[in-house]
Amino acid sequence: DAGITQSPRHKVTETGTPVTLRCHQTENHRYMYWYRQDPGHGLRLIHYSYGVKDTDKGEVSDGYSVSRSKTEDFLLTLESATSSQTSVYFCAISETGRRGNINYGYTFGSGTRLTVV
Amino acid sequence: GNSVTQMEGPVTLSEEAFLTINCTYTATGYPSLFWYVQYPGEGLQLLLKATKADDKGSNKGFEATYRKETTSFHLEKGSVQVSDSAVYFCALRYNAGNMLTFGGGTRLMVKP
Repeated sequence: DAGITQSPRHKVTETGTPVTLRCHQTENHRYMYWYRQDPGHGLRLIHYSYGVKDTDKGEVSDGYSVSRSKTEDFLLTLESATSSQTSVYFCAISETGRRGNINYGYTFGSGTRLTVV
Repeated sequence: GNSVTQMEGPVTLSEEAFLTINCTYTATGYPSLFWYVQYPGEGLQLLLKATKADDKGSNKGFEATYRKETTSFHLEKGSVQVSDSAVYFCALRYNAGNMLTFGGGTRLMVKP
């Protein structure tokens, strides 16, 4: 399997506390993504990165921030966790070919199950 | 904008039955199309892909053909096994930020 790990795998936190989830890759892929998965909503993109210090918002970015200070790490921060952010969070990585080949799929991490109480 | 529509589940089949999970898409241009599978407690894994019209992607007995005329990419398998029980996601990628657009997922349950 591709070298992508998420930490922690499980976390329970209290409402109003900050939480940071980490995604680490060893593939030197340019693109990294954070998704959340909820029943009835499928996968929804939170934020993504297209390079070091280059990030952009996805469709459900409110309440979340990200940082990418080096290629291998993409951090997702919940500044003040709310119960609506209880979810399973997935990180994904992707590479394009030298000519911008978009034939490659994503590689996903195993997920972080976050519960906000 | 781009969108992917999948049949709602769950789909419940007996072992060795024929499987079809429908997927249709709306996109500008000619995207690449993908099927991902998510087994319980795990992340999504790429199952198969097709990059242009009439291409057939195949893997582990699953197949899907890229049909531009019907904007579809239906997933099929001739004989399902209990181990195929999972959630299946159809997705497309059009050259815009290199992002995948996912369908809502279809849960497959295969009974012995």
